[in-house]
Amino acid sequence: ETGVTQSPTHLIKTRGQQVTLRCSSQSGHNTVSWYQQALGQGPQFIFQYYREEENGRGNFPPRFSGLQFPNYSSELNVNALELDDSALYLCASSLRQGIQETQYFGPGTRLLVL
Amino acid sequence: AQTVTQSQPEMSVQEAETVTLSCTYDTSENNYYLFWYKQPPSRQMILVIRQEAYKQQNATENRFSVNFQKAAKSFSLKISDSQLGDTAMYFCAFTDHSGNTPLVFGKGTRLSVIA
Repeated sequence: ETGVTQSPTHLIKTRGQQVTLRCSSQSGHNTVSWYQQALGQGPQFIFQYYREEENGRGNFPPRFSGLQFPNYSSELNVNALELDDSALYLCASSLRQGIQETQYFGPGTRLLVL
Repeated sequence: AQTVTQSQPEMSVQEAETVTLSCTYDTSENNYYLFWYKQPPSRQMILVIRQEAYKQQNATENRFSVNFQKAAKSFSLKISDSQLGDTAMYFCAFTDHSGNTPLVFGKGTRLSVIA
């Protein structure tokens, strides 16, 4: 186990709705990254948070937003859901210390948009 | 932009045999990191092995080893003595020298270990 947890494990929403996904990082990890993994594809980077501030963003629209909290938890929020948002959403935590640190992944949240 | 290519969508291997998964990448960086991640049906992405580009020695972790060819931008994973528990999706991934930038993943190789 990686020590990273995510909730919920599965979620079904309808088009146009909003969703919040949650991630609990390893204790002490100051960086969290979120990825979207469509069926049969590798994960695609959404954004990264470092010490509670956004620190990089992939090619995703502004309706994808996030938060990171002091207690090592974080959220991914998606507004105005579209059918193509159906995917596995992964969070990964790491400890930035000026050198490369391995990213540890959670088990993911499977989102289905109908 | 960096890209990672895994040209084998699916592979199978007999239990106890050896299998090699291929990965190539494209980057203009000189220092970077490469990874192999395993994603079993349970979905949790688990780090298998990592390689620092500045190290010439190939990384090994028990039954897992890599063949890192920097000039050819190739990073293959060899699994020896394959076990049923090795059945999973395997992803090759890249990140730059700072190590704190996002991982760039390939599309994955589905490995089936057959009894």
